Amino acid sequence: GAVVSQHPSWVICKSGTSVKIECRSLDFQATTMFWYRQFPKQSLMLMATSNEGSKATYEQGVEKDKFLINHASLTLSTLTVTSAHPEDSSFYICSATEGNIQYFGAGTRLSVL
Amino acid sequence: QKEVEQNSGPLSVPEGAIASLNCTYSDRGSQSFFWYRQYSGKSPELIMFIYSNGDKEDGRFTAQLNKASQYVSLLIRDSQPSDSATYLCAATTGGFKTIFGAGTRLFVKA
Repeated sequence: GAVVSQHPSWVICKSGTSVKIECRSLDFQATTMFWYRQFPKQSLMLMATSNEGSKATYEQGVEKDKFLINHASLTLSTLTVTSAHPEDSSFYICSATEGNIQYFGAGTRLSVL
Repeated sequence: QKEVEQNSGPLSVPEGAIASLNCTYSDRGSQSFFWYRQYSGKSPELIMFIYSNGDKEDGRFTAQLNKASQYVSLLIRDSQPSDSATYLCAATTGGFKTIFGAGTRLFVKA
C-alpha cells in the first residue's frame, strides 16, 4: 500500500509557542490530504481537508487561524498549531488519498505544557 | 447528516473464534467501504476495502457488503490476541470525503 510519512511523531512545547507538523506522501502524489485530531479513547475527528494549491477546507468549529494548513506540493501538507495551549494537547493524524483510499501517517502526539 | 454507525463494544471473543464486526451507513450514495484497524496510541491502518455487494476475502479477514440494507461487516477468523484493537468502518461517496464510524473495540482473550 501507499506510504504516508508524518513528522514529528512526538513534540512537547511550551504554551504560546507554535508547532509545525509535516505530512508527506512518499510514493504517490496526493492532491487531497486530511488532518484529524483524536483525544484519548475518542474517535477520529476530521479537522480539515487540505487541497494542493488552494485553501484548506475546515470543519465546523475548527479555528482556521489557529490551525494553519499549507499544501504547497503534491506530496507535502503541513499543519501549524499556532499559540498552542494545553487544551490543544492531542494526537494529530494526517492522511493522504490515493484513488479513493485514505492512507494514514503514524500520527503526532502533541503535549503543550 | 451522513453517518456511519458502529457498536462501540467492547466485543470480546476467545482466541480462535470468529469475530464479527458490523457497520451501517446512512448515505445511499456511498460507493466505497473500508475497514481500518487502530491499535491503542497508533494511527489507523487499512485492512480491507470493498466496493461491490457480496463477500471479499483476504486471509483471515472477510468483508461483506449489502447495499440494499446499507450494511457492511468484517469477519475475523481464528481470532488472535494481536487482533485486539479498535476497528473503524468508513464509507466514501463519489467525492473524496470519507465518513468514519466511531469504531468498535475488540478484545481477543487468550
